[in-house]
Amino acid sequence: GEDVEQSLFLSVREGDSSVINCTYTDSSSTYLYWYKQEPGAGLQLLTYIFSNMDMKQDQRLTVLLNKKDKHLSLRIADTQTGDSAIYFCAERAPGGSYIPTFGRGTSLIVHP
Amino acid sequence: DVKVTQSSRYLVKRTGEKVFLECVQDMDHENMFWYRQDPGLGLRLIYFSYDVKMKEKGDIPEGYSVSREKKERFSLILESASTNQTSMYLCASRTGTSGGPGSGANVLTFGAGSRLTVL
Repeated sequence: GEDVEQSLFLSVREGDSSVINCTYTDSSSTYLYWYKQEPGAGLQLLTYIFSNMDMKQDQRLTVLLNKKDKHLSLRIADTQTGDSAIYFCAERAPGGSYIPTFGRGTSLIVHP
Repeated sequence: DVKVTQSSRYLVKRTGEKVFLECVQDMDHENMFWYRQDPGLGLRLIYFSYDVKMKEKGDIPEGYSVSREKKERFSLILESASTNQTSMYLCASRTGTSGGPGSGANVLTFGAGSRLTVL
C-alpha cells in the first residue's frame, strides 16, 4: 500500500538552510506536495511538484524530486524563526478518489 | 481565498456524550474531509464526502459518523465520546474538478482545527 515517510524533528539555526526529506512508495503519484502547519493553525499548501519535474524553485524554497528513489526534499534557504512549523509531505493517490496520503509531519525548530 | 471554518476551536466533553464538530466552507467545493491529527501519527482520514448526501469511510471511521445535508457544511459526529478520541480534528475541502494544483484542483484547504478533550 501507499506510505509516506518523514523524520519527525529537525532543528536548525536561524540563517542556515533546512532540508526536510520524504520518501514515498507509490511510483504512479503524479503530484507531490508540501504543506505547512503553523502553531495553532490548519495545514496550508506551501508548494508542489509535478512528477515529470526534477526540481522546482520558489523564492527561498527548493523542491527536489528523485523519482527513481521515490525521494522528495524541501530545502528552505536562510531559515527564519517564522519558518518554525510542521511540514507535511503528501502524494496524490492514484485512482479516481485522488485522496492525498500525508506523511507524519516534520517539526522544524529554528533557533535564534 | 477559500475559507474553511470550524466553529469550535476547543471543546471539553465527558465520556459518553454526543459530540458534533461543524465545518463550513465558502467556495462551493464539492469534496470535504475530516482528519484527526495526533502527535507522531500525522493526519489520519476519518471520513470524506464527494458531494451533498454522499459519504465515504476513510482509514479510521470507527466511532465516528458524518452528515452532509448542504454542500457547504460537513459535520463530524461522535455518538458516544471516549477518551481515546481526544485529539485535534481538522476539516478540509477541495474542488471536485480535475486538473493540477496550479488551477486549485487537488489542493486541500484546511480549517484551523478543533481540539477535543474527552474526560
